[in-house]
Amino acid sequence: EDQVTQSPEALRLQEGESSSLNCSYTVSGLRGLFWYRQDPGKGPEFLFTLYSAGEEKEKERLKATLTKKESFLHITAPKPEDSATYLCAVQAVSGGSNYKLTFGKGTLLTVNP
Amino acid sequence: DADVTQTPRNRITKTGKRIMLECSQTKGHDRMYWYRQDPGLGLRLIYYSFDVKDINKGEISDGYSVSRQAQAKFSLSLESAIPNQTALYFCATSEPGHHQPQHFGDGTRLSIL
Repeated sequence: EDQVTQSPEALRLQEGESSSLNCSYTVSGLRGLFWYRQDPGKGPEFLFTLYSAGEEKEKERLKATLTKKESFLHITAPKPEDSATYLCAVQAVSGGSNYKLTFGKGTLLTVNP
Repeated sequence: DADVTQTPRNRITKTGKRIMLECSQTKGHDRMYWYRQDPGLGLRLIYYSFDVKDINKGEISDGYSVSRQAQAKFSLSLESAIPNQTALYFCATSEPGHHQPQHFGDGTRLSIL
């Protein structure tokens, strides 16, 4: 069974204090790993797709990296508007043709001014 | 206007009632999905559809049914609602193929008393 574990469950940072969120996964054949941002009262908003170990993607203050066992979402010099829940999801070969996403429980990030 | 629109946004109802949640999209995607989100459990797949004539069960389909009325419309029904179906419900869409991210609506908050 595919498993996705995100840590920490919650993270509180001061504005400008860089940090990383972790997503570790156990799947039978990774097709893709997805990062989403979710604001209160909203649906998840797509951020990145990573396909293979060693791949990196960047968007503004966010940088996502991927290894064979985990992904990191690095947040550089965060601002209060980066406060949100960050979700990680994997799509695995074991999901068959349904391209099923298995989601982690998320990391709640709070950035204080 | 939102690309993926869910109605209603909030619903409170009683045990035993039949409820329909609706989803419409303007993204032109063939694939549509229904998820529920519960605190501490993350997002879980209820049903998915790859085109108008294709409906498939997800990991937690018991107690739910769906209808794909058109490429742009996918509705979720609870035939006889029970309190443990209280949750946030999200509709998502995607293009065909793996590596394609799913794009989510802003959800329906459903409370069953």
